[in-house]
Amino acid sequence: AQSVAQPEDQVNVAEGNPLTVKCTYSVSGNPYLFWYVQYPNRGLQFLLKYITGDNLVKGSYGFEAEFNKSQTSFHLKKPSALVSDSALYFCAVRDINSNYQLIWGAGTKLIIKP
Amino acid sequence: NAGVTQTPKFQVLKTGQSMTLQCAQDMNHNSMYWYRQDPGMGLRLIYYSASEGTTDKGEVPNGYNVSRLNKREFSLRLESAAPSQTSVYFCASSERYRSYEQYFGPGTRLTVT
Repeated sequence: AQSVAQPEDQVNVAEGNPLTVKCTYSVSGNPYLFWYVQYPNRGLQFLLKYITGDNLVKGSYGFEAEFNKSQTSFHLKKPSALVSDSALYFCAVRDINSNYQLIWGAGTKLIIKP
Repeated sequence: NAGVTQTPKFQVLKTGQSMTLQCAQDMNHNSMYWYRQDPGMGLRLIYYSASEGTTDKGEVPNGYNVSRLNKREFSLRLESAAPSQTSVYFCASSERYRSYEQYFGPGTRLTVT
């Protein structure tokens, strides 16, 4: 079965330090992978996607993600965290065997401390 | 350009009551979706409409019905609300069903007592 795992419920990072939010996936074919961010009391916003090509994908707000096929991972990264990056982050994978529906991870709460 | 709008923002229902959540998008998107978000469970797809005139069940359709009123509007109806339907409901849209990005509304926080 297709699945997405975000192994950390919460990640704490000091402002200015690099951050990583982890995501691993399981799909039967080629993965289409996404990261979304949710600020408090708001809907989700698209950050970036991996479809094909370069394993390092750049997205909005200085975020990037690295696709690693051998480790079936798609970790979200940022070189220098800002307090305003504090939010809930969701990883998702497209399930081409289930009519292209998105399968969502449970979310990781990112807290950036000043 | 408002994007995806949802009404109401908040609602409290008693068990057995009915209500309709409204969603509209002004991006001329073909596909629309209803999700529910529960703590620790991410988003779960309730229903979707790949194009105007079609609707299909998602992962958790029981207890819900939908109507794709026109290209802009996609409503979600709870006929007889249950406490298990207490959740935050999000509407989303995308250019096509197989588009990569979905655009979300601000959500409706529903409590069923």
